[in-house]
Amino acid sequence: AQSVTQLDSQVPVFEEAPVELRCNYSSSVSVYLFWYVQYPNQGLQLLLKYLSGSTLVESINGFEAEFNKSQTSFHLRKPSVHISDTAEYFCAVTETELWGGSQGNLIFGKGTKLSVKP
Amino acid sequence: EPEVTQTPSHQVTQMGQEVILRCVPISNHLYFYWYRQILGQKVEFLVSFYNNEISEKSEIFDDQFSVERPDGSNFTLKIRSTKLEDSAMYFCASSPREGVEQYFGPGTRLTVT
Repeated sequence: AQSVTQLDSQVPVFEEAPVELRCNYSSSVSVYLFWYVQYPNQGLQLLLKYLSGSTLVESINGFEAEFNKSQTSFHLRKPSVHISDTAEYFCAVTETELWGGSQGNLIFGKGTKLSVKP
Repeated sequence: EPEVTQTPSHQVTQMGQEVILRCVPISNHLYFYWYRQILGQKVEFLVSFYNNEISEKSEIFDDQFSVERPDGSNFTLKIRSTKLEDSAMYFCASSPREGVEQYFGPGTRLTVT
């Protein structure tokens, strides 16, 4: 069974400071990895994904995440945050090898609330 | 850009009543999902649906729950007899193929009183 751990439930930072949101996963099989963002009173939006290839993936708004297989991590980073990045961030995994009727349901972490202060 | 839509945005119902939550997935997607998020807890998988049948369901998805794709566009989640503990945000998601990114709707907040 897979699981996702986001150790930090809340991360307060000042505007223009760097931030790292941590995500570790546990799985007996290979996984695909995702970060979703939920802005206040909105649904989940895909921020970035790792399916294969380069272990460093980037989003259009300056976030990046690096897949580290040996450490089973997929931490999210941004070198300089903006007020508009205030949101809750969810890390999620799904199996790469689908069997037994599995259709790729996502396993989510508990989320990290990023609060950017001026 | 195509998006997943859900109605209503907020549903209040009394314990024991039936509710139907509606979703319109992205039109060329083939895989559909329901998730829920109880306040303060993680997003949890409920059920996946492909080719007009349930592919996988979690332990949460008991006999009180059912899903249906009544026409070519809608995807519904029915709770037959709601309980207080069903109060949560329910998210619909769709995907163009299995095992890749899923696109989520804005959610329906269900409040059972």
